[in-house]
Amino acid sequence: KQEVTQIPAALSVPEGENLVLNCSFTDSAIYNLQWFRQDPGKGLTSLLLIQSSQREQTSGRLNASLDKSSGRSTLYIAASQPGDSATYLCAAIFFGAGGTSYGKLTFGQGTILTVHP
Amino acid sequence: SAVISQKPSRDICQRGTSLTIQCQVDSQVTMMFWYRQQPGQSLTLIATANQGSEATYESGFVIDKFPISRPNLTFSTLTVSNMSPEDSSIYLCSVDKQGNGYEQYFGPGTRLTVT
Repeated sequence: KQEVTQIPAALSVPEGENLVLNCSFTDSAIYNLQWFRQDPGKGLTSLLLIQSSQREQTSGRLNASLDKSSGRSTLYIAASQPGDSATYLCAAIFFGAGGTSYGKLTFGQGTILTVHP
Repeated sequence: SAVISQKPSRDICQRGTSLTIQCQVDSQVTMMFWYRQQPGQSLTLIATANQGSEATYESGFVIDKFPISRPNLTFSTLTVSNMSPEDSSIYLCSVDKQGNGYEQYFGPGTRLTVT
């Protein structure tokens, strides 16, 4: 079964700290992996998309990496700010034996991040 | 990217009734997706909606309970039928951009409470 797992479930850090969120997946037959941010009661905001042929993507203070062989992705947030407080979700599109459902994202459970001043 | 709006943003409904959620996209897209996020849980795909064909449902979701319409390339509706308290969730629609490596974009969600 193709699954995505995120640890830790929650993380609290002081402002200014660099931090890493972890995402693991059970199947290396991955098409892409996407990191999202979700604020309480809101929809999802796409942060970074990594294709299976890529190793990392960067946007501002965010850097996401992908290692298919180990089944892991990390989201690195530099110089964290209170405004970064949110739930961070990773989600993958997997290749399927019967064909690839390019729209079917398999989500992890999320990491709730709190950055305190 | 894509700008997606949903209506209503939230609703409180009585058991046994139905609610139709609308999703509007600012550009034409081939596929639209409907997800459910139950309280404290992550997102689960309900179905994929292609314009001009019947929606494709994931395991555990059936058309009688979640009928979907896709009348054109920018609009879709999801109906939650014969609701029970277990249907209380956030329902989100999303689209992907094939040219962007199938990056997905989500609407703001509809928060449904069934009493």
